[in-house]
Amino acid sequence: DTAVSQTPKYLVTQMGNDKSIKCEQNLGHDTMYWYKQDSKKFLKIMFSYNNKELIINETVPNRFSPKSPDKAHLNLHINSLELGDSAVYFCASSQRSLEKLFFGSGTQLSVL
Amino acid sequence: AQRVTQPEKLLSVFKGAPVELKCNYSYSGSPELFWYVQYSRQRLQLLLRHISRESIKGFTADLNKGETSFHLKKPFAQEEDSAMYYCALSGQGNRDDKIIFGKGTRLHILP
Repeated sequence: DTAVSQTPKYLVTQMGNDKSIKCEQNLGHDTMYWYKQDSKKFLKIMFSYNNKELIINETVPNRFSPKSPDKAHLNLHINSLELGDSAVYFCASSQRSLEKLFFGSGTQLSVL
Repeated sequence: AQRVTQPEKLLSVFKGAPVELKCNYSYSGSPELFWYVQYSRQRLQLLLRHISRESIKGFTADLNKGETSFHLKKPFAQEEDSAMYYCALSGQGNRDDKIIFGKGTRLHILP
């Protein structure tokens, strides 16, 4: 009955590969987000979606492509992975845009 | 432009001593401010938000619009307060407003 769940928890892969991270929320929220937390623990927004519509794309390289098949899911696909993509990626949701965020437990991505 | 500044990367405080985690913001409109906390091996969670004016786990924060600050305070630190703390700001609700986070402050409570 986890509110925001993301999979996988850990992802180790080689440079150049393509990988996906999945996120699902069962809170009935309208808005979902992807945040990136780097090695210094800086937390930066990447994307937000409201009811399947892209609202914010924070100048993320186009190798990153979010996909929202319905308002309960927001997946993140990354093409041609680079070393600098290594980070923890957090999915989050909120009832409405700019409201209290509920976070997933994070996906630690390591690119070798 | 929205900006959140947490000047301290690391703050070490003795158990029982007062805690103050600093947060300053920049926003042209009327902001909404939050504090989020990340305990070791746990997900980020909301600690408090300024509009609710409630105290959680003994922490309080007052929005000072004159100083554009939202410092987090607790009179007596406890060991379980050791965590990463993030100050966050959201805008007024324009379509492309977003919730942005400061760079975080790691609070270390010394025994």
